[in-house]
Amino acid sequence: GESVGLHLPTLSVQEGDNSIINCAYSNSASDYFIWYKQESGKGPQFIIDIRSNMDKRQGQRVTVLLNKTVKHLSLQIAATQPGDSAVYFCAENRASGAGSYQLTFGKGTKLSVIP
Amino acid sequence: EAQVTQNPRYLITVTGKKLTVTCSQNMNHEYMSWYRQDPGLGLRQIYYSMNVEVTDKGDVPEGYKVSRKEKRNFPLILESPSPNQTSLYFCASKRAGTEAFFGQGTRLTVV
Repeated sequence: GESVGLHLPTLSVQEGDNSIINCAYSNSASDYFIWYKQESGKGPQFIIDIRSNMDKRQGQRVTVLLNKTVKHLSLQIAATQPGDSAVYFCAENRASGAGSYQLTFGKGTKLSVIP
Repeated sequence: EAQVTQNPRYLITVTGKKLTVTCSQNMNHEYMSWYRQDPGLGLRQIYYSMNVEVTDKGDVPEGYKVSRKEKRNFPLILESPSPNQTSLYFCASKRAGTEAFFGQGTRLTVV
């Protein structure tokens, strides 16, 4: 079946370096994508989203890139800090119409920041 | 403050003893859902509800029940819990085409 997945289950980066977390999706009908951060013992928290009419969206220290041609999504974190250590999930959705309520999640990438 | 509230946060129970995990949201969202999270398996959807009195099965509904009598509440019911239902549970709510808001989680242990 169609699914959202992540290329790497774990990622270790040095404090101050940039982090890149990747995600592949297979549902061509998905047009809305979300990144979540889950810290230990907490629920997933929204980081940033992007709709399919955009290729790039920037937030505070985070950038999401969407490549619809190869169905690839990435999250870039600039100047990674110890507080960024968490599991990151991508999720796909429809922006409207049938399926616009359902989110499909990837399995997550655990980011560890080395001080 | 916009939030999804789950109770209890932690629960240890015995096999076969019925339990309910409550979930409430204050954002007037139409859609609510329950997930379980297990190591290596990510978030798996148990049940969801698209509005009051409308519920449907997710990917792993066996052993669970839900109800949606009011828009803000979406309780998860385990009629006869078993050890394989030991997990971390999350409730979430959202509007169509927007991000989901998650509760803080309920860690359930069935012995």
